[in-house]
Amino acid sequence: EPEVTQTPSHQVTQMGQEVILRCVPISNHLYFYWYRQILGQKVEFLVSFYNNEISEKSEIFDDQFSVERPDGSNFTLKIRSTKLEDSAMYFCASSPWTGAGYTFGSGTRLTVV
Amino acid sequence: AQSVTQLDSQVPVFEEAPVELRCNYSSSVSVYLFWYVQYPNQGLQLLLKYLSGSTLVKGINGFEAEFNKSQTSFHLRKPSVHISDTAEYFCAVSGHSGGSNYKLTFGKGTLLTVNP
Repeated sequence: EPEVTQTPSHQVTQMGQEVILRCVPISNHLYFYWYRQILGQKVEFLVSFYNNEISEKSEIFDDQFSVERPDGSNFTLKIRSTKLEDSAMYFCASSPWTGAGYTFGSGTRLTVV
Repeated sequence: AQSVTQLDSQVPVFEEAPVELRCNYSSSVSVYLFWYVQYPNQGLQLLLKYLSGSTLVKGINGFEAEFNKSQTSFHLRKPSVHISDTAEYFCAVSGHSGGSNYKLTFGKGTLLTVNP
């Protein structure tokens, strides 16, 4: 069964550093998403991406965050200057059409120290 | 906008007992509904989804859920649970009338603990 692949599985970074989280969505999917889950809390929407542009973003997704699909296969989330409160599990997801139910990756656990 | 309420944060049950995990939603538009399962230190796995048609939806691992539009509910059930069903279960909703309704909105999750 096709999978969404995320790398790395764990990342530890110092506060103020830039991090890039990588995702390879399912190849024929058109819609891409990033979600995050702070430890013990619910899964929160960050951003959706379609047709090479952001289609929606949440209040969490401020100027420190950006997304990119640089080569038609990878989908990246960049955090420019990490804060302690950015520590969370970050999930990438993709879907073939809106509302189809997303396939999630296994996540990247980001720890900011 | 949509919201999801999972009424129980924790549900302990004994092995082979039936279980129901409750989920209610609110939305101003028609919805798609989903249940995801998260095993410890793992990602989110789709259990089942309701898009249209029959209101009783069957998923993986013997789970099923029933969409009740009048009660705005989508409760998850399993007639006999196993130890391996111990996990966090998330109910989620998305609208399907365009724009910001497409994103998934999750409930806070229900931790199902199956005891021997």
